[in-house]
Amino acid sequence: GDSVTQMEGPVTLSEEAFLTINCTYTATGYPSLFWYVQYPGEGLQLLLKATKADDKGSNKGFEATYRKETTSFHLEKGSVQVSDSAVYFCALYTGGFKTIFGAGTRLFVKA
Amino acid sequence: NAGVTQTPKFRILKIGQSMTLQCTQDMNHNYMYWYRQDPGMGLKLIYYSVGAGITDKGEVPNGYNVSRSTTEDFPLRLELAAPSQTSVYFCASIGGGGSPGELFFGEGSRLTVL
Repeated sequence: GDSVTQMEGPVTLSEEAFLTINCTYTATGYPSLFWYVQYPGEGLQLLLKATKADDKGSNKGFEATYRKETTSFHLEKGSVQVSDSAVYFCALYTGGFKTIFGAGTRLFVKA
Repeated sequence: NAGVTQTPKFRILKIGQSMTLQCTQDMNHNYMYWYRQDPGMGLKLIYYSVGAGITDKGEVPNGYNVSRSTTEDFPLRLELAAPSQTSVYFCASIGGGGSPGELFFGEGSRLTVL
C-alpha cells in the first residue's frame, strides 16, 4: 500500500544552519505531495505542496522538489531561524479520501 | 475566514464519562476527518466522512462515534472515556478545486481522561 517514510528526529540545529528533512514515499498512482508544519500547541498547517513530478513547492524559505525517479520530496531551508522550531510532516494524497502521513520530524533550532 | 473550528480546546474527563467534540467548517468541503495525536507521535485517523450522511471508520475507531447531518458539522462522540483516550484531537477537511488534497486543520482539542 501507499506509505511515507521521513527521517526520525529530533533534529537540532543552530540558527542559520542548513536544514534537510528527508521524505520518501511509495504510491501506486500519481500522488500530490505535501509538507505540513505544526508549531508548539497548534494544529497542522500547510507549508508547501507539489502536485506533479519535477514541481518545486516553496514557502517561507522552505523548498521541496517532487522527484519521481527517487520517489522523494525532501524539505530544505538554507538558513533556519529559532521560529522554525516545530514538527514537520510529509504527506501524500492520491485522490479519494485518504492522506498518508509520515511520522513527523521534530526540529529544534538553537539561538 | 473561520476555516475549521473545534470546541472545546481543553477538557478533563473522568473515566466512564462521555462527551462530544464539536467541529465546524465554513469552506463547503465534503471530506472531513478526525485524527488523534498522542504525545510525541504522528496522526492516527479515527473516522472520516465524504459527505453529509456518510461516515466510515479509520485506523482507530474503537471508543468513538461520529455523525454528519450537515456539510458543515462533524462531531466526534467519546463514549465511556478511558485513560487511553487522553490525546489531542484534530478535525480537518479537504479542499478541492485548485488545491486537491490540501488538508485544513482545526486548532485541536486537548483531552485528558483521569
